[in-house]
Amino acid sequence: DVKVTQSSRYLVKRTGEKVFLECVQDMDHENMFWYRQDPGLGLRLIYFSYDVKMKEKGDIPEGYSVSREKKERFSLILESASTNQTSMYLCASSVRQGGRNQPQHFGDGTRLSIL
Amino acid sequence: KQEVTQIPAALSVPEGENLVLNCSFTDSAIYNLQWFRQDPGKGLTSLLLIQSSQREQTSGRLNASLDKSSGRSTLYIAASQPGDSATYLCAVALRHNTDKLIFGTGTRLQVFP
Repeated sequence: DVKVTQSSRYLVKRTGEKVFLECVQDMDHENMFWYRQDPGLGLRLIYFSYDVKMKEKGDIPEGYSVSREKKERFSLILESASTNQTSMYLCASSVRQGGRNQPQHFGDGTRLSIL
Repeated sequence: KQEVTQIPAALSVPEGENLVLNCSFTDSAIYNLQWFRQDPGKGLTSLLLIQSSQREQTSGRLNASLDKSSGRSTLYIAASQPGDSATYLCAVALRHNTDKLIFGTGTRLQVFP
């Protein structure tokens, strides 16, 4: 079974801090994704990566960056945290087969509060 | 731009009822459609995936249908149980860019004994 692990379930940080959210998958998936989920807005894609050291902007990349140095690990970075980045953050991964992406598997999420 | 809508936003039913959750999308050029379940404070669990060439998929008490021409999918839950209480999300993958999923905002289901 695919396992996507996010390093923290809950995190509290202060405005202006640099924040790292870590995600690890154990199935050798090519693709990894970061979403945020807010009430009334649903899930929105922040960034995704389809290979080591590759990244693509999603719908709301402003204020975020990512790092993928190893295939199994995808990090989301808040360079200078702000209160409007308080949210639930979800990581997902998927395999690419036949040139097409397969279903995404999600971690349990990190609930981040910025004070 | 693809938009995904789920109605109703919330639903409360007694145990044992059969129920239907609705998902609509504005652009029929989809690659597939997926239904997820999300328990409070948790991530998403994939329930069913329907490829664009398929009309329905079944898993246990769940049946999902897809009508691309009308831009609709339904998730049918038979004989609902309190353990079915969760938020149900649908998401479409676009044909021209299967990397991205476009999510609806979900239907929060409560099944009471």
